[in-house]
Amino acid sequence: SAVISQKPSRDICQRGTSLTIQCQVDSQVTMMFWYRQQPGQSLTLIATANQGSEATYESGFVIDKFPISRPNLTFSTLTVSNMSPEDSSIYLCSVEMGALGDTQYFGPGTRLTVL
Amino acid sequence: GNSVTQMEGPVTLSEEAFLTINCTYTATGYPSLFWYVQYPGEGLQLLLKATKADDKGSNKGFEATYRKETTSFHLEKGSVQVSDSAVYFCALSGDYKLSFGAGTTVTVRA
Repeated sequence: SAVISQKPSRDICQRGTSLTIQCQVDSQVTMMFWYRQQPGQSLTLIATANQGSEATYESGFVIDKFPISRPNLTFSTLTVSNMSPEDSSIYLCSVEMGALGDTQYFGPGTRLTVL
Repeated sequence: GNSVTQMEGPVTLSEEAFLTINCTYTATGYPSLFWYVQYPGEGLQLLLKATKADDKGSNKGFEATYRKETTSFHLEKGSVQVSDSAVYFCALSGDYKLSFGAGTTVTVRA
């Protein structure tokens, strides 16, 4: 597995502002993922972030709202732009590892509240 | 496309009771199957996995068997503890991503 950290762990933000979430891994990984977990809900994949290429976004998520950077094999950021109360969620990053390359390990999450 | 259907909760049990959470899936090919656990206020932890038919994943007293004939991956524990109170997610790996079930909230009372 991997040790994954996220910053900040939680934040309270005003509507219309932006927040950048950082995800750091203790080993080099090819695939990193960003998820959103709305209150009381399951996880929804926002995008896949590969180093050296543009992130791939899932249906319903756009780059202007959720820009992602992946500058190297151990780090990624997700920005939540022009926030509204509907963006209040837990945002989690994950990395793909394992012998088959099919197992994802998750960071502790960032709890975002938008007022 | 791939999908996972999980038993709806919430589930409330007494300590030492037997726990089963049903999970069925729809997928093309031969996906890997997972159970993740989310303790209150925390992120997701991988609980166990199985990569092919008839594989049994196990961890912390939890078990799940990959049943291809019934497309199921039910989670079981013989004697739950208060510390097992959490949300449990079934998931499958396919199309280069994970598909999650809705999650089942389990509360164990002393």
